[in-house]
Amino acid sequence: DAKTTQPPSMDCAEGRAANLPCNHSTISGNEYVYWYRQIHSQGPQYIIHGLKNNETNEMASLIITEDRKSSTLILPHATLRDTAVYYCIVRAPLGNTPLVFGKGTRLSVIA
Amino acid sequence: GAVVSQHPSWVICKSGTSVKIECRSLDFQATTMFWYRQFPKQSLMLMATSNEGSKATYEQGVEKDKFLINHASLTLSTLTVTSAHPEDSSFYICSAPSGRGGLNSYGYTFGSGTRLTVV
Repeated sequence: DAKTTQPPSMDCAEGRAANLPCNHSTISGNEYVYWYRQIHSQGPQYIIHGLKNNETNEMASLIITEDRKSSTLILPHATLRDTAVYYCIVRAPLGNTPLVFGKGTRLSVIA
Repeated sequence: GAVVSQHPSWVICKSGTSVKIECRSLDFQATTMFWYRQFPKQSLMLMATSNEGSKATYEQGVEKDKFLINHASLTLSTLTVTSAHPEDSSFYICSAPSGRGGLNSYGYTFGSGTRLTVV
């Protein structure tokens, strides 16, 4: 799996958009970008994933650069409940292999 | 959606005793279960992979005789921490592939975690 780099922490004002960056310059052609988050003392939760096109779901949007070397997770209207550690994971969709977690970004949403 | 039910959510035990953690897949069959451990302010570290009906495979540095994993059915995997010591105090999380499969699968469902405190 390709290595990812994320800032260790970020703050965001409640109601504003939270933009979380991720660098994955060594990503391979068949590797997807996945985002998970972990709220304190809970198991990780899937957010979104993409290959090369931008993706949007009810939780977030994922913007992937054209060269696929970086991406941004966007929470359009952050709430206090979005305070969590966000993990960007790059991997090929291989069945039955574990997710490998980096250090992630600790997002603090501030009232 | 797919749910993995993990119990207990927290447990306090005395040093030297054993603790069993259960993870059940409620609406899908989990042929594989991954077990992670997370120390405070650290990321999740993979401990072992269990496959239904076969022996678990452990990551380097994880004692297989201390962390016993049983995956006897397609819906239940258990992790038993034997002869627990204070250094085993951690947050234990299970995870199973649970998605639609194929190239667009996002299907990794995680349990809610078990906070183990050994005193």
